Amino acid sequence: GDSVTQMEGPVTLSEEAFLTINCTYTATGYPSLFWYVQYPGEGLQLLLKATKADDKGSNKGFEATYRKETTSFHLEKGSVQVSDSAVYFCALSDRSSGSARQLTFGSGTQLTVLP
Amino acid sequence: SQTIHQWPATLVQPVGSPLSLECTVEGTSNPNLYWYRQAAGRGLQLLFYSVGIGQISSEVPQNLSASRPQDRQFILSSKKLLLSDSGFYLCAWKPTASYNEQFFGPGTRLTVL
Repeated sequence: GDSVTQMEGPVTLSEEAFLTINCTYTATGYPSLFWYVQYPGEGLQLLLKATKADDKGSNKGFEATYRKETTSFHLEKGSVQVSDSAVYFCALSDRSSGSARQLTFGSGTQLTVLP
Repeated sequence: SQTIHQWPATLVQPVGSPLSLECTVEGTSNPNLYWYRQAAGRGLQLLFYSVGIGQISSEVPQNLSASRPQDRQFILSSKKLLLSDSGFYLCAWKPTASYNEQFFGPGTRLTVL
């Protein structure tokens, strides 16, 4: 079955540091890939997505590139801010999921950015 | 534009009491609907999903049930809550024919005492 493996947290960085959160996947088909962000006490928000190999998703200074050869979708940001403190989830949607087209989530990575 | 609502936002219930959480979606028709639970410090667990009115699929055998009485309404219920039912419950929707992302509601924080 499909699976998503995320870099384990928690991750603590100083403001303006470079961020990488690793994500690798296994899928039977050709998935779409997503990063979601969850701020404390809130639901998940879509941060960025990529639907085919070599696509780069970007939003709010975050980027991730769909690497089919390494089955990876690592999240990066060049300079984090305190407001980026949140839990980040990597996820995939696979055409083999059937009519419900469920998402498969990673376990989440807690990011804390210190001033 | 589409919006998704959940209520209540927070709930504190005693063990053995019933539960009803509601989720409604506006601005779309015939969505796929999903219920997730997030225990403290853990990832997301898919509980139920629905591809149409009255069609419910359960992912995890448990103390909970779900219903979809209307196209854009999804209800999570329990007859008798357990301590282990505490958590953050998230509803999500997705266009039926899309392979793409799900859109999440604001969640309900349930504490069972």
